Amino acid sequence: AQSVTQLDSHVSVSEGTPVLLRCNYSSSYSPSLFWYVQHPNKGLQLLLKYTSAATLVKGINGFEAEFKKSETSFHLTKPSAHMSDAAEYFCVVSIYNFNKFYFGSGTKLNVKP
Amino acid sequence: GAVVSQHPSWVICKSGTSVKIECRSLDFQATTMFWYRQFPKQSLMLMATSNEGSKATYEQGVEKDKFLINHASLTLSTLTVTSAHPEDSSFYICSAPLVNEQYFGPGTRLTVT
Repeated sequence: AQSVTQLDSHVSVSEGTPVLLRCNYSSSYSPSLFWYVQHPNKGLQLLLKYTSAATLVKGINGFEAEFKKSETSFHLTKPSAHMSDAAEYFCVVSIYNFNKFYFGSGTKLNVKP
Repeated sequence: GAVVSQHPSWVICKSGTSVKIECRSLDFQATTMFWYRQFPKQSLMLMATSNEGSKATYEQGVEKDKFLINHASLTLSTLTVTSAHPEDSSFYICSAPLVNEQYFGPGTRLTVT
């Protein structure tokens, strides 16, 4: 069975400070892992993905994530938050050639000026 | 990049009526598409896999007769919510895979009054 746990439903940071959004996964198979962002009333946008290559994955807008098999984690980080980063972030696990996607519960990121 | 569209973007219908939502892959073909449902302030839940030329496969707990899926061509899948009730009000999102990625539609907000 596959599942994703996002450990924080809300994260609040000040602009210019680091961002850490935590994600743990469970998968019976070698997983592919993704982070998506959803801005209010907008569609899902892919931030980055891990597909069994390099464990440190760099994405768009300065985000990156590290796949740690021993910890079954795929945390999303950014060195310096920007106001435009305020959104909902979803960690996703996929199996079977990137077909079925299983979403975490989401983390709402709030960025304070 | 690949684009997936949905129509309509929002719809209001009366209880007891049926409503059809379309999902189109605009610049690629998709033998498989996926339908998700997102309740307010919650994550996306995979409802079903739409298979071109064959029956859809539904996730556990999703009523097949309630949510009719038709994948009549390589670029179009439709989700029909039959005999809609207020509890069916939700945000419905489709996706289509291409190479190693899923492309999501912008979503359809359904409100049943």
